[in-house]
Amino acid sequence: NAGVTQTPKFQVLKTGQSMTLQCAQDMNHEYMSWYRQDPGMGLRLIHYSVGAGITDQGEVPNGYNVSRSTTEDFPLRLLSAAPSQTSVYFCASSSIGGIAKNIQYFGAGTRLSVL
Amino acid sequence: AQSVAQPEDQVNVAEGNPLTVKCTYSVSGNPYLFWYVQYPNRGLQFLLKYITGDNLVKGSYGFEAEFNKSQTSFHLKKPSALVSDSALYFCAVRAHNFNKFYFGSGTKLNVKP
Repeated sequence: NAGVTQTPKFQVLKTGQSMTLQCAQDMNHEYMSWYRQDPGMGLRLIHYSVGAGITDQGEVPNGYNVSRSTTEDFPLRLLSAAPSQTSVYFCASSSIGGIAKNIQYFGAGTRLSVL
Repeated sequence: AQSVAQPEDQVNVAEGNPLTVKCTYSVSGNPYLFWYVQYPNRGLQFLLKYITGDNLVKGSYGFEAEFNKSQTSFHLKKPSALVSDSALYFCAVRAHNFNKFYFGSGTKLNVKP
């Protein structure tokens, strides 16, 4: 089972460049989310979605955009990369019902460096 | 405001000894509480959750956690640590009527042979 797939695994950007981090899940989960992980700060929620066509902001949304056109995909866009966005990014998905409700399944992460 | 605190950056235990990783939380209303584990260069993996019911929750790999409402704590425990338990552990909280999850800063568990 693929679970949550993130691409790319590594990326180096120059300040001001844009890019999209891809996330796909094959578990038919309604809830999807993006986090960034920084040393000593744990995971911080960037954006989340409770279903196709519905997105909302998390703790640290500035500089990031998301969309949810299908249940499976939840891409994260950096419009104009800044060094402060150097981090490890994780996508997660979970069901909003059933026995596995609220258990988040995480991708392997994308390590992003902005120079 | 919702938040999670993990007061220890690092916990060191000897193999075979019991371990505790501490977590306290702040949430409006009733909480959903979770523990996740992260191995190097990997995503987080679910260990256990508290939704309602018994305060003692059992999870994967022999871990358990005790929900204490009066102390707003959800400490992770294991009776006998293994070297393979060495990893980064995260506590997370979500309010029942809210769609955002909040994670603690993580605790690195070192189990020495």
